Parts: sequence; structure tokens; C-alpha cells
Amino acid sequence: DAGITQSPRHKVTETGTPVTLRCHQTENHRYMYWYRQDPGHGLRLIHYSYGVKDTDKGEVSDGYSVSRSKTEDFLLTLESATSSQTSVYFCATRDTKNIQYFGAGTRLSVL
Amino acid sequence: AQKVTQAQTEISVVEKEDVTLDCVYETRDTTYYLFWYKQPPSGELVFLIRRNSFDEQNEISGRYSWNFQKSTSSFNFTITASQVVDSAVYFCALSEAGYSSASKIIFGSGTRLSIRP
Repeated sequence: DAGITQSPRHKVTETGTPVTLRCHQTENHRYMYWYRQDPGHGLRLIHYSYGVKDTDKGEVSDGYSVSRSKTEDFLLTLESATSSQTSVYFCATRDTKNIQYFGAGTRLSVL
Repeated sequence: AQKVTQAQTEISVVEKEDVTLDCVYETRDTTYYLFWYKQPPSGELVFLIRRNSFDEQNEISGRYSWNFQKSTSSFNFTITASQVVDSAVYFCALSEAGYSSASKIIFGSGTRLSIRP
């Protein structure tokens, strides 16, 4: 398993505030992903990265931005949080066998 | 477009029963990967298996087995002699093949499996 650490693990914030979630990996994997998990939807891809400074949108990218300044770190930012962004967020990395490994998740509540 | 359907939202069985979780997928790719992940009540996502589209051999790992049938676009998961510790949400997933591609994973909506003692 890839060593993936997500921080914070839990966060409560207010509508309109900026929020940044961090994903840190120790396996030097090239590809990293951010997903959100909501009841009835499984996991949906928000953004992904295929290298330092190289990112692209997923299926639910509106309201989110990402940055990757180092191979090991992938940041997800909600510029102005809304209640619809209340969710559990998972970071993942992909190994050379195309297997994605996931972090423990961040539970975000936007009030 | 790629799609994964897990029609069984919830399944509840008594311990030691066998249970099969269904997964049907859609893709236009000729080469792809199929996955199963387990999400126990603690919330983490645990990788169980990856199957390549050109390998239709069934696989068995202990009490777990997987049946891949390209003809019906199905990748079903069977737990034999279920145990309470098998209680979890199980996700089937599909991705394009090729390390140089994004290989975005499309997840099904999950099947919640409850094993009663």
C-alpha cells in the first residue's frame, strides 16, 4: 500500500470560507487523485494530477481547484465552501500496475 | 462513456451463507481494468482485486472469488461462508488501461453487505 496521509481528517467550516485539504504520499507515485464520496454516488473524481504542476479536471470539478508543487503533495482547495460540498474526500495515488490506493479520507462539513 | 452498475444497494445474509455481489459495466475500450474495493465501517477503502480485460480466468483468494465474463460485461464477487467481518460496502470499478493515460476510475454506487451473526 502507498503511504498516503490526508489532513485534516475532520473539518467543520462555514459557508463562504476557503478550505484546503492536503494529501501527502511517500511512494513517489506519478498520478494522484481527489475524489468525493456521497451517499448513492460512490466515489466521483474531482481532479487528478499526472505530475508536478500537471493537473486536470474530473467529473465534478466545479468549485474546486488543485495544486501540485511537489511529487509527494497534492492540495485540494475549496475557494468558497458551500453546503453542497459537505462530503467525505479521498485522495488516491496510482502505482505502475494501475492500482489506486486511497488515503483514510477527510470528512468535511460546511455549515 | 464508461459506466459501472451495482444494482444491489443492500444485501443482508446470515453468517456462513454464501453471497454474490453483482457488477455490470459498460465501456467502448478494448483494454481496461476492473476492480473491487472494500469499505468497512471504519471508512477506509481497501483494494481487493484488479482484473485485466484480456484475462477472463476466474480468481479465488481464500473465501473470495471473482467471476469475470466479458460476454455479459459482468465482474461478480462471491464470498463463501460469509463472516461478520465481511460486513462492509463493496465497490466495483472500471478504468482504462495504460500507465501513461490518466486511467480515471469509474466507481459503481456500491453494495452494502451486512452479515448477521
